[in-house]
Amino acid sequence: NAGVTQTPKFQVLKTGQSMTLQCAQDMNHNSMYWYRQDPGMGLRLIYYSASEGTTDKGEVPNGYNVSRLNKREFSLRLESAAPSQTSVYFCASSETKRGYTFGSGTRLTVV
Amino acid sequence: AQSVTQLGSHVSVSEGALVLLRCNYSSSVPPYLFWYVQYPNQGLQLLLKYTTGATLVKGINGFEAEFKKSETSFHLTKPSAHMSDAAEYFCAVSTMEYGNKLVFGAGTILRVKS
Repeated sequence: NAGVTQTPKFQVLKTGQSMTLQCAQDMNHNSMYWYRQDPGMGLRLIYYSASEGTTDKGEVPNGYNVSRLNKREFSLRLESAAPSQTSVYFCASSETKRGYTFGSGTRLTVV
Repeated sequence: AQSVTQLGSHVSVSEGALVLLRCNYSSSVPPYLFWYVQYPNQGLQLLLKYTTGATLVKGINGFEAEFKKSETSFHLTKPSAHMSDAAEYFCAVSTMEYGNKLVFGAGTILRVKS
């Protein structure tokens, strides 16, 4: 099925560990995004990529890095995880007016 | 800058009653407006969107929303609530000025009582 695929779905990390969240879309969208969702705060933009080869910071980029590997794939890396990064992470892709298509999310717990 | 305010973090209605979820936005240029629904432990699903044209927008599952520029509002309604409507609803705005990035409200959790 066409859409956005995120891996893993669940992850528990110890403080200071690193990990990469993977995201791939098969809709040939130019733009891709990483959001985090926290209770009562909606979704906040971490990083985005308007097109292949470009990335830019969103509202809450500290502690994260991203790579737009090709048009399909956009990964999010936590270099040294902190408990404040416990959250649900969503990847999305879009084409302008058509709205975003979201992945099913990654639930990350940092202990 | 653009922002979204959703009035009421929790809304409770009886089954069969009108659903009204409020959303106000702030934008200096014409906005694109969206409503998304999130069921427990799932991703976000697009309910409806306004880009240009008709200000009354119909979406999936019987929901609709009306863009009112003078009130900077995009409230979501459904005439008759169903138990399956219980979920969290997010209003979001994007503009070309802001690179079409979606900015979300804090969300409203809808509870439907039997």
